[in-house]
Amino acid sequence: DIVLTQSPDTLSLSPGERATLSCRASQSVTGRYLAWYQQRPGQTPRLLIYDASRRATGIPDRFSGSGSGTDFTLTISRLEPEDFAVYYCQQYGSSRQTFGQGTKVEIK
Amino acid sequence: QVQLVQSGAEVKKPGASVKVSCKASGYTFTNYFMHWVRQAPGQGLEWMGIINPTGGATTYALKFQGRVTMTRDTFTSTVYMELGSLRSEDTAIYYCARGPAALDFWGQGTLVTVYS
Repeated sequence: DIVLTQSPDTLSLSPGERATLSCRASQSVTGRYLAWYQQRPGQTPRLLIYDASRRATGIPDRFSGSGSGTDFTLTISRLEPEDFAVYYCQQYGSSRQTFGQGTKVEIK
Repeated sequence: QVQLVQSGAEVKKPGASVKVSCKASGYTFTNYFMHWVRQAPGQGLEWMGIINPTGGATTYALKFQGRVTMTRDTFTSTVYMELGSLRSEDTAIYYCARGPAALDFWGQGTLVTVYS
């Protein structure tokens, strides 16, 4: 299975700041088949980005994704109060999909 | 609108089995694969497997192979996930989520508690 390692585990930032989250794969992710999800406390995960860089329906343009191969990045250009949450990456390039362990973005 | 409605919370003893359902509506059931993902208390997301509603073909995470069975009923647009030989570490919220790849719609989750 492809192992996804997210960094950092926790990111402490202030509203208005830029957040950069990393997701590194143990082997190349076929076809840039990588997604990012946001999970707020007590809520179900929400799809933000798919195919590494495509925003899902209704996702604000302050969220962007990039990367290929084994290194992927989720960027939140200016943090809004509702963006403080846990973010997960997921690869779906192999028959057995996997998630990263998550990055918590908390208010500094 | 797309909806995935899951069955209610369950409490099971170690060694028992649990079967969770997920009823889909608002789209053509056979056009999208369905995944199962679980989340233990305070932990991250764990992918369990996928089912193709058209033919019923499945792929399971190696960790669950031999213990999990995913099935579907195309007449009621419902998928099922059965997990056997339950242990305390299986206490988690179990989600169904629509594929085939990135998961764009999720069920509300079903809490399964395993304790003696």
